[in-house]
Amino acid sequence: DAGVIQSPRHEVTEMGQEVTLRCKPISGHDYLFWYRQTMMRGLELLIYFNNNVPIDDSGMPEDRFSAKMPNASFSTLKIQPSEPRDSAVYFCASRGPGQGGYTFGSGTRLTVV
Amino acid sequence: KNQVEQSPQSLIILEGKNCTLQCNYTVSPFSNLRWYKQDTGRGPVSLTIMTFSENTKSNGRYTATLDADTKQSSLHITASQLSDSASYICVVSLQTGANNLFFGTGTRLTVIP
Repeated sequence: DAGVIQSPRHEVTEMGQEVTLRCKPISGHDYLFWYRQTMMRGLELLIYFNNNVPIDDSGMPEDRFSAKMPNASFSTLKIQPSEPRDSAVYFCASRGPGQGGYTFGSGTRLTVV
Repeated sequence: KNQVEQSPQSLIILEGKNCTLQCNYTVSPFSNLRWYKQDTGRGPVSLTIMTFSENTKSNGRYTATLDADTKQSSLHITASQLSDSASYICVVSLQTGANNLFFGTGTRLTVIP
């Protein structure tokens, strides 16, 4: 298994532009999480899905953030319009049934200038 | 309030030396505690996972301990190597719910030759 795959690895965009981050979870995992990591706040949960259904999006900072999971093998996190304070590393993680281990992707480093 | 605190925030040690990282938590009801290693530019990777009844668990040169009574955990690294340079994150799980992870902000370890 190739693990959780995220793309792109790095994204630099201008303020006001739309940004789309992508994630492919591990096959068979029924939970998918989007996290944001900054030096000041560490890892913060933004939203998570169970069987492609959004369960808790209370961590999404603003309406500018949206996430979708159209099928079991793909999810997107979109920021529109982006702002400099959105600059961070965004991680996707997936988890199988039960209290199994979480597997993180390598992250997308977003820089908004 | 469910919180996870780690210390020290950063640590520099000489190659070959041992070190111990600390994690204190107030998460309740407790399910398990995990230590993750995060290399620069990568996602967190699980090192150990311990449940309430486990006091110690080893993974090579990494040994984690857990005192569920005092709600403290430590990660001991023996005979450190340059490749141990990374951030080490303590993560505590609640007993229920998929959105049940509480992350520490990590300890940044640098091993120098």
